[in-house]
Amino acid sequence: GAGVSQSPSNKVTEKGKDVELRCDPISGHTALYWYRQSLGQGLEFLIYFQGNSAPDKSGLPSDRFSAERTGGSVSTLTIQRTQQEDSAVYLCASSQAGTSASPLHFGNGTRLTVT
Amino acid sequence: AQSVTQLDSHVSVSEGTPVLLRCNYSSSYSPSLFWYVQHPNKGLQLLLKYTSAATLVKGINGFEAEFKKSETSFHLTKPSAHMSDAAEYFCVVRNNTDKLIFGTGTRLQVFP
Repeated sequence: GAGVSQSPSNKVTEKGKDVELRCDPISGHTALYWYRQSLGQGLEFLIYFQGNSAPDKSGLPSDRFSAERTGGSVSTLTIQRTQQEDSAVYLCASSQAGTSASPLHFGNGTRLTVT
Repeated sequence: AQSVTQLDSHVSVSEGTPVLLRCNYSSSYSPSLFWYVQHPNKGLQLLLKYTSAATLVKGINGFEAEFKKSETSFHLTKPSAHMSDAAEYFCVVRNNTDKLIFGTGTRLQVFP
């Protein structure tokens, strides 16, 4: 596709369940980011993948959160044993690497609601 | 470490009047700076970017921003607000490890 694709667009889950959120970046983009946006808040950095380098996981809020990027393309963000405070919109973005001014292209996000 | 500060959480203007959304950055070297806009229930969209080629950067929808190193600022402006400009605006700095750091956002309201 032409843009960053995220699925599902909405996810409602019960507290304690695991969830997987998927991101399909723009073809050829080597950098992939996950951000979280809680209601009325700014964007909180979660994790960043750049090519084959080790990911920057410095923003993951707890060990219940993990992410992987297979084959340098699709990425999955997994939240284990979900809590109500995990409710937020999870945004994925990709960009071309190598140019410091290359912009991020964002997906429309996955709205996660933990009941 | 790089960071951005958006000085106003909310800005309200009348349609047809100028818009000023303030952003100050902190960086130990020449930064890459961006403004993104988020309309209600829509994704984030790039408004403009500073690439060090020119200090006055023009973006989409009539917005522009001026990079002022002496003031460590990158304020977003528009001469005349339109109702459709009502949205959340984010100032962003890219650090030396390629991570984008977002400001807390400024919500722009435009009154008729």
